[in-house]
Amino acid sequence: DTAVSQTPKYLVTQMGNDKSIKCEQNLGHDTMYWYKQDSKKFLKIMFSYNNKELIINETVPNRFSPKSPDKAHLNLHINSLELGDSAVYFCASSQDHVNTEAFFGQGTRLTVV
Amino acid sequence: GQSLEQPSEVTAVEGAIVQINCTYQTSGFYGLSWYQQHDGGAPTFLSYNALDGLEETGRFSSFLSRSDSYGYLLLQELQMKDSASYFCAVRSAADYKLSFGAGTTVTVRA
Repeated sequence: DTAVSQTPKYLVTQMGNDKSIKCEQNLGHDTMYWYKQDSKKFLKIMFSYNNKELIINETVPNRFSPKSPDKAHLNLHINSLELGDSAVYFCASSQDHVNTEAFFGQGTRLTVV
Repeated sequence: GQSLEQPSEVTAVEGAIVQINCTYQTSGFYGLSWYQQHDGGAPTFLSYNALDGLEETGRFSSFLSRSDSYGYLLLQELQMKDSASYFCAVRSAADYKLSFGAGTTVTVRA
């Protein structure tokens, strides 16, 4: 059983399109995250939810909108995709918002053409 | 905010020992963690130091000095499979943000 699973693994789309990435964790964790990893491998926090409540909202364009229907799911919707959005997006979870052991999903490689 | 600094890359031969240093600045502190990421893979948790001192887990050890805002990851008896990127990470007590360093690419040569 995969602990943190995100879909799709690869996403190729044209500029201006809207796309979503889904994430689910079966670890019973309270906290979930979205990270963006650029071509230089820098992992940048985008959002964090604790028990479905948004607790971290970094300086991210408002074209990015997270949604947590329950504490096991955290989805990411991106409107009007731009070339600069191309990156690998990782979903992750941790037991709570102070635990530093995070479990990452396999990543979604987004390519905007 | 938080900032973490670590070397960008290290190359070593099989069987060698590599030390990856990490210095950090953060508002409040829950501890220093280390993650490993192979090319094309996801980051995976390696270790966590909340208190000063050395934590050993097999061939990997991690050290923390809170007074110096410094830690390191020690990779011993290097194997080819250890070729990967290694990230230090801190959790801020001020905003609970889990922030990562820029990563150190370790290349192990035969």
